[in-house]
Amino acid sequence: GENVEQHPSTLSVQEGDSAVIKCTYSDSASNYFPWYKQELGKGPQLIIDIRSNVGEKKDQRIAVTLNKTAKHFSLHITETQPEDSAVYFCAAGEGGADGLTFGKGTHLIIQP
Amino acid sequence: DAGVIQSPRHEVTEMGQEVTLRCKPISGHNSLFWYRQTMMRGLELLIYFNNNVPIDDSGMPEDRFSAKMPNASFSTLKIQPSEPRDSAVYFCASRSVALTYTDTQYFGPGTRLTVL
Repeated sequence: GENVEQHPSTLSVQEGDSAVIKCTYSDSASNYFPWYKQELGKGPQLIIDIRSNVGEKKDQRIAVTLNKTAKHFSLHITETQPEDSAVYFCAAGEGGADGLTFGKGTHLIIQP
Repeated sequence: DAGVIQSPRHEVTEMGQEVTLRCKPISGHNSLFWYRQTMMRGLELLIYFNNNVPIDDSGMPEDRFSAKMPNASFSTLKIQPSEPRDSAVYFCASRSVALTYTDTQYFGPGTRLTVL
C-alpha cells in the first residue's frame, strides 16, 4: 500500500517569512495529492490539491509543487500570518473514490 | 450546506461497553470515509463506502470494529467491546464522485472517544 512521509514534524517561522513542508510517497499509482489544514478541535480542511498531470499549482499565498519522478510534493506558504498556525497534513491517493493515505502532519507555528 | 455532521462530538465510556458513532454526509455525496486520528499513528483510513457499499475495510483494526451505511444519508461506526486503546478522534468524510475532476473529501468535526 501507499506510504507517505512528511517533514518536518514541527516548523516555526517568523511572521511574514515563508514556510515549506515536504512529503514523499511510495506508490507510483497515486495521482492525487491534497493538503489539509487542521485547527485545534476541528476536522481537517482542504487548502489546496494537485493532480499528477500538473507540476505546480498556486492559490494566493499557497502553492504546491509535485515531482512525480522523484515521488515528492511540497507545500509553500508565503508571507505567513498568525492565522496560518495549525497542523498541516499532506496526503496521497489514486483519486476516483479511493481513500487517502496521510502524512503524520506538520505543526506550523508562526512567531509574531 | 451544513457540511458533514457527526455525533456525538464527545464520548466517554468504560472498557467493554459498546460505542456507536454516527455520520451524516453532505447531501448528494456518494462516497463516505471513516478515519481515526491518534498522536502515535496520525490519520488512518478505516473503511470507505461508494454508493452505500463498503469498498475497502482493510484499515479496520479488529473484528470489534464494524461500519454500516444503510442509506445515502447515514453511516455508523460501532466498536464492541471497546478497549482503552480505541481512544482517539474518529472522523467521517464525504465526497461526490459525480463532480468532474474533483477528489475533495470534506471532513466532519470528529468524535473524540475516550475509553476508560
